[in-house]
Amino acid sequence: AQSVTQLDSQVPVFEEAPVELRCNYSSSVSVYLFWYVQYPNQGLQLLLKYLSGSTLVKGINGFEAEFNKSQTSFHLRKPSVHISDTAEYFCAVMREENNDMRFGAGTRLTVKP
Amino acid sequence: GAGVSQTPSNKVTEKGKYVELRCDPISGHTALYWYRQSLGQGPEFLIYFQGTGAADDSGLPNDRFFAVRPEGSVSTLKIQRTERGDSAVYLCASSLFAQTQTEAFFGQGTRLTVV
Repeated sequence: AQSVTQLDSQVPVFEEAPVELRCNYSSSVSVYLFWYVQYPNQGLQLLLKYLSGSTLVKGINGFEAEFNKSQTSFHLRKPSVHISDTAEYFCAVMREENNDMRFGAGTRLTVKP
Repeated sequence: GAGVSQTPSNKVTEKGKYVELRCDPISGHTALYWYRQSLGQGPEFLIYFQGTGAADDSGLPNDRFFAVRPEGSVSTLKIQRTERGDSAVYLCASSLFAQTQTEAFFGQGTRLTVV
């Protein structure tokens, strides 16, 4: 089965600084890629997704991610973070052939004033 | 309904008891997923259905766990002889198996506490 590695379990950053949350995946077949966000005491929400086409995808709240097939990566970026971006971020990979989806362990982003 | 619905939202049970967790997916979604999330961890895959059949149940931790989806819609996750280690939030998600609309929508989860 496919797998996902999120390289940083915690990322502390100051408000208005840029941030990158790293995600690498492993799969023997073609996949779709996702980032989900989970705010404290809330459910998982889709932030953005890559299905095909342009490798740079833009999501909600100013986030974007770039699919790099040769490096099997899908890193999430934001040029300037806000306190309200403090949350847990999960990278996920879904097999194109059957929608089987697996998640990474998550990265806790903490934005400090 | 408009979204994925999970019931109950909270369940407290005694060690050794049997529990059932229910998931109502978005109407028309053929794919249904169960995950388990412990505090500070990512969603851990349990089982995935395409229609009525379990396409992949490799994530079920042992034979105390079982899930069904008899009519290809509602799914029930069943846990026998619960243990304290089963305490977690159980998440259900569904998706429409279509290339242009691929996205998994999550329910709010069932928080299971085994005492």
